[in-house]
Amino acid sequence: AQSVSQHNHHVILSEAASLELGCNYSYGGTVNLFWYVQYPGQHLQLLLKYFSGDPLVKGIKGFEAEFIKSKFSFNLRKPSVQWSDTAEYFCAGADYKLSFGAGTTVTVRA
Amino acid sequence: DAGITQSPRYKITETGRQVTLMCHQTWSHSYMFWYRQDLGHGLRLIYYSAAADITDKGEVPDGYVVSRSKTENFPLTLESATRSQTSVYFCASSPTGGNYGYTFGSGTRLTVV
Repeated sequence: AQSVSQHNHHVILSEAASLELGCNYSYGGTVNLFWYVQYPGQHLQLLLKYFSGDPLVKGIKGFEAEFIKSKFSFNLRKPSVQWSDTAEYFCAGADYKLSFGAGTTVTVRA
Repeated sequence: DAGITQSPRYKITETGRQVTLMCHQTWSHSYMFWYRQDLGHGLRLIYYSAAADITDKGEVPDGYVVSRSKTENFPLTLESATRSQTSVYFCASSPTGGNYGYTFGSGTRLTVV
């Protein structure tokens, strides 16, 4: 079955720290991978997506993700977080329907 | 305005009542989806539709009914609401699914008392 899993349930960081959130997928064939962010009380927003090509994908707000096929991973990174990055982050994979990981709550302390 | 809109934003209903959540998109996207979001579970797919009059079950379809008579609308009905259906419901649409990404509505927070 196609699925996505996230390793970290809750991450607490200080401002300016680096962030890396783990995501693994199990998909056969073509894989489309996404990272979404949900700020408190808001709906999901797309951070970045990978369909093919360069495995290092840059998204909005300074986020990037690296697709490593051999590890079935699509980890999200940000070199220096801000308080405003406090949110829930979801990894998702799709063939034609989107399946989500359980999400990682990121708390950035000022 | 173009986009995907959900209504109502908030709803409180009693156990056993029927309630319908609305989703409307203006892009003529083929695919539409309903998810529920619960703490610790992320977003789980309830139903999806690949086109008008074509619907299929997702991970957690029990207790829900959908229809899609028009491309732009994809209502979700809880036939007899239960407390376990208290959740935040998100509708999403996509032109093709997969390759072109998905756009989400603002969500409906449903409380069943």
